[in-house]
Amino acid sequence: AQSVTQLDSQVPVFEEAPVELRCNYSSSVSVYLFWYVQYPNQGLQLLLKYLSGSTLVESINGFEAEFNKSQTSFHLRKPSVHISDTAEYFCAVMKTGANNLFFGTGTRLTVIP
Amino acid sequence: EAGVAQSPRYKIIEKRQSVAFWCNPISGHATLYWYQQILGQGPKLLIQFQNNGVVDDSQLPKDRFSAERLKGVDSTLKIQPAKLEDSAVYLCASSLREDASYNEQFFGPGTRLTVL
Repeated sequence: AQSVTQLDSQVPVFEEAPVELRCNYSSSVSVYLFWYVQYPNQGLQLLLKYLSGSTLVESINGFEAEFNKSQTSFHLRKPSVHISDTAEYFCAVMKTGANNLFFGTGTRLTVIP
Repeated sequence: EAGVAQSPRYKIIEKRQSVAFWCNPISGHATLYWYQQILGQGPKLLIQFQNNGVVDDSQLPKDRFSAERLKGVDSTLKIQPAKLEDSAVYLCASSLREDASYNEQFFGPGTRLTVL
């Protein structure tokens, strides 16, 4: 079975500061990895994903995540956050070839002006 | 392209009452998912449909929850009778098809259920 751990439930950070949201996963088989974002009163949106190939993946709004197989991690980073990045971020894992997503408990990112 | 639609957006009921949620997936999407998101937790898959057939309902509490997708398009999730611990956001998602190496899941806005 797959599982995801997001150790930080809340991360406050000042505007234009860097941020890292941590995600570790557990799986006995190969997996795909995802970060979803949930803005207030909205549904989940896919932020970025790792399926194969380059271990560093990027989103269109400046976030990036690196798949580290040896550390079973997929941490999300952004060098300079904006107020609009305030949201809940969920890390998720999917067994390759399957379609079931297993989510972590989420990290609430609050950007302080 | 229209997204996944869900209704109602909010519902408040008393315990032991019944409630139903409706989901309309993105046009052409064969696979439909219902997730339960309890406050402070990540979404948990309840049931997955491929067209109008059930692929996975291992996490669905079948003594009180039921779901159907009769014509392979819209879906309804029902709780009968509701318990306090059913208070959660119920998310519907859809993807293009199930038999591929990867299909992105698109999520609706959710229905927030409060059981008093």
